[in-house]
Amino acid sequence: KQEVTQIPAALSVPEGENLVLNCSFTDSAIYNLQWFRQDPGKGLTSLLLIQSSQREQTSGRLNASLDKSSGRSTLYIAASQPGDSATYLCAATGTASKLTFGTGTRLQVTL
Amino acid sequence: GAVVSQHPSWVICKSGTSVKIECRSLDFQATTMFWYRQFPKQSLMLMATSNEGSKATYEQGVEKDKFLINHASLTLSTLTVTSAHPEDSSFYICSASGGTAHEKLFFGSGTQLSVL
Repeated sequence: KQEVTQIPAALSVPEGENLVLNCSFTDSAIYNLQWFRQDPGKGLTSLLLIQSSQREQTSGRLNASLDKSSGRSTLYIAASQPGDSATYLCAATGTASKLTFGTGTRLQVTL
Repeated sequence: GAVVSQHPSWVICKSGTSVKIECRSLDFQATTMFWYRQFPKQSLMLMATSNEGSKATYEQGVEKDKFLINHASLTLSTLTVTSAHPEDSSFYICSASGGTAHEKLFFGSGTQLSVL
């Protein structure tokens, strides 16, 4: 059974700082790895999707990497802004398109 | 990008009543929809997978008679929480797939259910 863990559980950084969120998964037989953003009481916003054959994906200030063999993915956020404050979830896609979500990292970017 | 609409956004109901949550794909045909539940400060847990025109597949520990799922058309899936109790209070969220294996999923905005 796939297990996805995210470290740290919570993070507070000053505005402008670069930061890295970590995601690890136990079963490397995944089809893709996705990163989502969730604001309190809201649904999910898809940030980046990395196919199993890819090593990284970039979108604006976000960069996600994937190392399938070691069961790790990272989300790099450059020049953080207060608007980046949210919970970030990673999810591994297994058979039948089922997603297994990580435990999430609650990010707070302070002024 | 594709849009998934979920309704209602929040609902408060009395214990023992049933609540129906709708999930619609607005601009694509969703052959598969997924229903998740999220308790406060916890991650999303998959409840069931529904395929259009067939019975839903429930994850271990999810009562199929309590959480009724209907996926009668390619654009609509419903989750009915029957005889809701306070412990069913949670955030429910759906996602939809256009059918290509392992493609990007699109999520609804979620429904916050509070059972009194």
